[in-house]
Amino acid sequence: DAKTTQPTSMDCAEGRAANLPCNHSTISGNEYVYWYRQIHSQGPQYIIHGLKNNETNEMASLIITEDRKSSTLILPHATLRDTAVYYCIVRKLTGANNLFFGTGTRLTVIP
Amino acid sequence: DAGVIQSPRHEVTEMGQEVTLRCKPISGHNSLFWYRQTMMRGLELLIYFNNNVPIDDSGMPEDRFSAKMPNASFSTLKIQPSEPRDSAVYFCASSEFASSGGYTFGSGTRLTVV
Repeated sequence: DAKTTQPTSMDCAEGRAANLPCNHSTISGNEYVYWYRQIHSQGPQYIIHGLKNNETNEMASLIITEDRKSSTLILPHATLRDTAVYYCIVRKLTGANNLFFGTGTRLTVIP
Repeated sequence: DAGVIQSPRHEVTEMGQEVTLRCKPISGHNSLFWYRQTMMRGLELLIYFNNNVPIDDSGMPEDRFSAKMPNASFSTLKIQPSEPRDSAVYFCASSEFASSGGYTFGSGTRLTVV
C-alpha cells in the first residue's frame, strides 16, 4: 500500500473549518484513501473513504486532487470533541486486509 | 447495536501470568481484527479472521501470543506467559468483510504487566 505523509499537528478554532492535508504521491489506480480518527483513550473511528471523486458524509468531506496524489479531510465546523489524532490511510479495496496506521495528525480544537 | 465489545477494560497482571482478552464483534460482521497500540510502535495489526478462520497472523509477535475465534460472536487473544513489554492497549475491530476498510473498533483493553 502507498505511504502517506501528514503534518504532525494542527490547531483549529472552534466553529471554524478544519482542513487536514495528506500526501500520497505514490498512490496507485486501485487504491482508496481512508480517514480514521482516534479520540484520546478510545478506539479508532472510521470517518470516510474515497477513490477519486470527492465524498461527503455526516462527519466530514474528503477532497481528492485530480492527480490523486493528495487529499484533504474537511471538518466543516470543528468542535472541541473533534480534538483527536487523524489518520490518512491508502489501501487497495481487495486483496490487502490490513489498515496501516501511521503517526497521523494531532488536531487540537481551541475554544 | 452495542458495537464491538471488549473485556476487560483494564488488566493488571504479574509477569509470567496468563492473560486472556475477549472480544465480541458486531453481529453480521464476518471479519475480526486484533490490533495493539503502544507509544513506540503505534497501532499494529496482530491477526485477523475471516468467517472465524485465521487468515494472517504474521503480526503476532511471538509464540506467547495466540488468538482464537470459536464462533462468529466471540474471539480471544491470549498471552502466555506475559512479559512487561506486552504492556499496551489491545483493540479488537470488526467489519462486514475484510476488504471494506470501514472497521468498527472496540474501546480496547489496557494491559499492564508488572
